[in-house]
Amino acid sequence: AQTVTQSQPEMSVQEAETVTLSCTYDTSESDYYLFWYKQPPSRQMILVIRQEAYKQQNATENRFSVNFQKAAKSFSLKISDSQLGDAAMYFCAYTPNTGNQFYFGTGTSLTVIP
Amino acid sequence: KAGVTQTPRYLIKTRGQQVTLSCSPISGHRSVSWYQQTPGQGLQFLFEYFSETQRNKGNFPGRFSGRQFSNSRSEMNVSTLELGDSALYLCASTRLPGLNEQYFGPGTRLTVT
Repeated sequence: AQTVTQSQPEMSVQEAETVTLSCTYDTSESDYYLFWYKQPPSRQMILVIRQEAYKQQNATENRFSVNFQKAAKSFSLKISDSQLGDAAMYFCAYTPNTGNQFYFGTGTSLTVIP
Repeated sequence: KAGVTQTPRYLIKTRGQQVTLSCSPISGHRSVSWYQQTPGQGLQFLFEYFSETQRNKGNFPGRFSGRQFSNSRSEMNVSTLELGDSALYLCASTRLPGLNEQYFGPGTRLTVT
């Protein structure tokens, strides 16, 4: 079964500090994609970062970076220099490279403390 | 390029009624997926359409159905509404199924009373 697990329902971080959100997944596929999506209170889901499983290098997008551990099936998101606008629900997602559906975790609600 | 649009944004229905939600994907995107989002369950996959054909279906009862038109616009229908169907329904589009990140619409908030 293909599942995505986010074990931290809620996290908080001080403004300008760094926070790491955890995600693990289960799959028997060798080729797949992983994503982090952000859903602010306005509800529009926005792509934050994406990682191809065949790439060993961790993806980075400005203040957002991932720690992809393929053997451990772990895909954590690090947010550096946290800003108030980073407050949102963050979803980890997985899709196999077979053109099938996306699987989402249950989300982590991130609060940024001024 | 316009994003994914969903109509209506908010909807209130009573138990037993049926509802139709609409989704227009980003221009050039041919794959549309639907999700149900509830606080306790997160995002649950409903179904995916590509080239007017349902490619994948999640574990939802037959009351949930959908279709896709030749212009890639998609509709989902829920018949005989139940209180538990109250949720945010999200539509997402991709250029091709599964190969690229999904772009989400703002969602339709359905409340069943």
